[in-house]
Amino acid sequence: EDQVTQSPEALRLQEGESSSLNCSYTVSGLRGLFWYRQDPGKGPEFLFTLYSAGEEKEKERLKATLTKKESFLHITAPKPEDSATYLCAETQGGSEKLVFGKGTKLTVNP
Amino acid sequence: DVKVTQSSRYLVKRTGEKVFLECVQDMDHENMFWYRQDPGLGLRLIYFSYDVKMKEKGDIPEGYSVSREKKERFSLILESASTNQTSMYLCASSDDRGDADTQYFGPGTRLTVL
Repeated sequence: EDQVTQSPEALRLQEGESSSLNCSYTVSGLRGLFWYRQDPGKGPEFLFTLYSAGEEKEKERLKATLTKKESFLHITAPKPEDSATYLCAETQGGSEKLVFGKGTKLTVNP
Repeated sequence: DVKVTQSSRYLVKRTGEKVFLECVQDMDHENMFWYRQDPGLGLRLIYFSYDVKMKEKGDIPEGYSVSREKKERFSLILESASTNQTSMYLCASSDDRGDADTQYFGPGTRLTVL
């Protein structure tokens, strides 16, 4: 069964305190690994797509990496506006369906 | 920029009513999806469509149907709304070109069934 597991469920950081969010995915047959940001009451906002182990993508204070069994979303020197729920999702070969993890709720205190 | 719009941000309906949720995308995407999102359960796929007049069941299709008469529009229908269908409904679209599989989401419709 496809399964995407995110940890931690919640994370509180002080402004400027760098950290990483983890996403473990179904190892065999990965087609794509996706990261989204979701603010309360809004739809998920696309951040990154990763396709193969070793791939990295960056956007402002965020950097997503992919290994053979997990993905990390690194947040460097976060600001309060980075507070949101971060969702990880995968697609498997032969399917367009996204399987989502339950998300990590990030709070950055000023 | 990809834009996915949903007909209502908030909707309140009564048990037994027929409910239509509309989604429109402006990027000529082939694929469209309907999800619901509930606390503790995450996003779950209801239905999706690869092409006009095509539909596929997702993980939780019971109590729902869909319609795709035009490429840009995908409707979710609750034939007889029930209280357990109170949820946030999210529409998404993706294409088969370029960065395939990447789904772009609309703002969501929060549906309350009384």
